[in-house]
Amino acid sequence: GDSVTQMEGPVTLSEEAFLTINCTYTATGYPSLFWYVQYPGEGLQLLLKATKADDKGSNKGFEATYRKETTSFHLEKGSVQVSDSAVYFCALLNTGGFKTIFGAGTRLFVKA
Amino acid sequence: NAGVMQNPRHLVRRRGQEARLRCSPMKGHSHVYWYRQLPEEGLKFMVYLQKENIIDESGMPKERFSAEFPKEGPSILRIQQVVRGDSAAYFCASSPPERGSFEAFFGQGTRLTVV
Repeated sequence: GDSVTQMEGPVTLSEEAFLTINCTYTATGYPSLFWYVQYPGEGLQLLLKATKADDKGSNKGFEATYRKETTSFHLEKGSVQVSDSAVYFCALLNTGGFKTIFGAGTRLFVKA
Repeated sequence: NAGVMQNPRHLVRRRGQEARLRCSPMKGHSHVYWYRQLPEEGLKFMVYLQKENIIDESGMPKERFSAEFPKEGPSILRIQQVVRGDSAAYFCASSPPERGSFEAFFGQGTRLTVV
């Protein structure tokens, strides 16, 4: 079945460091791909999405490119801030499906 | 346009009691999904409902758990005779009725603690 694998956390970075969180997926068909962010004690917020190969999703300085050839959707940010500390979830929604499939989440700590 | 509304945000129940979690979808949305997040884990699909119909409940435990989405009013996730292992965050999501559009918008979640 469809699945999402993302790098284990926690990831600890200093402020202004470069962030990469790896995400790979397995799916039949052509899924849409998402990154969600969960701040402490809060719900899920959609951070960015891409719906087809080579699309780049971007928001709040975060970017991810849909790479069909490597089945990946890695999250990047050039300069993280303390306020970016959260759990990040990679997810997919397959064409014609209704279940959003989530990765296990990666916790990010950013130190001042 | 209000987002997906869940209440209560926090719920504490003693073992053996019932928990009722409510979800009002976004305006105009007729598809509702429930997900469960266990501590330090990702979200796992539980059930997908449309008005008055359960479409897929493949992620629901076979016993004690039930869900409904009546013609009027919010969707309800009901857990009977709760046990400690039911402690989790339960998230509701909704999507619009357009065919093929299943991108989900999530609520803030209900954090259930069983003591």
